[in-house]
Amino acid sequence: AQSVTQPDIHITVSEGASLELRCNYSYGATPYLFWYVQSPGQGLQLLLKYFSGDTLVQGIKGFEAEFKRSQSSFNLRKPSVHWSDAAEYFCAVGARYSTLTFGKGTMLLVSP
Amino acid sequence: GAGVSQSPSNKVTEKGKDVELRCDPISGHTALYWYRQSLGQGLEFLIYFQGNSAPDKSGLPSDRFSAERTGGSVSTLTIQRTQQEDSAVYLCASSLEMAAGELFFGEGSRLTVL
Repeated sequence: AQSVTQPDIHITVSEGASLELRCNYSYGATPYLFWYVQSPGQGLQLLLKYFSGDTLVQGIKGFEAEFKRSQSSFNLRKPSVHWSDAAEYFCAVGARYSTLTFGKGTMLLVSP
Repeated sequence: GAGVSQSPSNKVTEKGKDVELRCDPISGHTALYWYRQSLGQGLEFLIYFQGNSAPDKSGLPSDRFSAERTGGSVSTLTIQRTQQEDSAVYLCASSLEMAAGELFFGEGSRLTVL
């Protein structure tokens, strides 16, 4: 069965500092990997996705993520965090013609 | 519509009552998904539809939960004899096809069972 682990429930980052959110997955085949963001009272919005090819993927809002097969990881990064990035971030794993399995999320707090 | 629409946005009900939650997907999206989001639990998959059929109902937590989709469009999630543990945000998403592509989410229906 597929699963996703986001080890950090909460992370606080100073505005302008760099960010890395961790995601580890368990999946039997080559996974499709996703990061979604959820602002308070909103639905989830896709930040980026990895299907195959280049292991470093770029997304919206200046985010990027790197797929590392050897570590079963797909960590999300941003070089300089803005106050508007405060939200909850979800990593998800799936495959072609399968449903997505989501992690429990990481809440990002941005301090001035 | 422009996005996935869910109603009601908030629902407060008494234990034992039935509730219906509605999802109107993006026009032309053939796949539709229901997830449940509880505090600190992430997103729990409930059911998905491809067209009007539901190949995978494995996530429905009990037989009190059911869902249908008509005309390949609107879906209704029904919870019978609600319990306090059913309190959560119910999220609906749709996609062009069931191919692990991008899911477009609605803003959710927050259910509170007193």
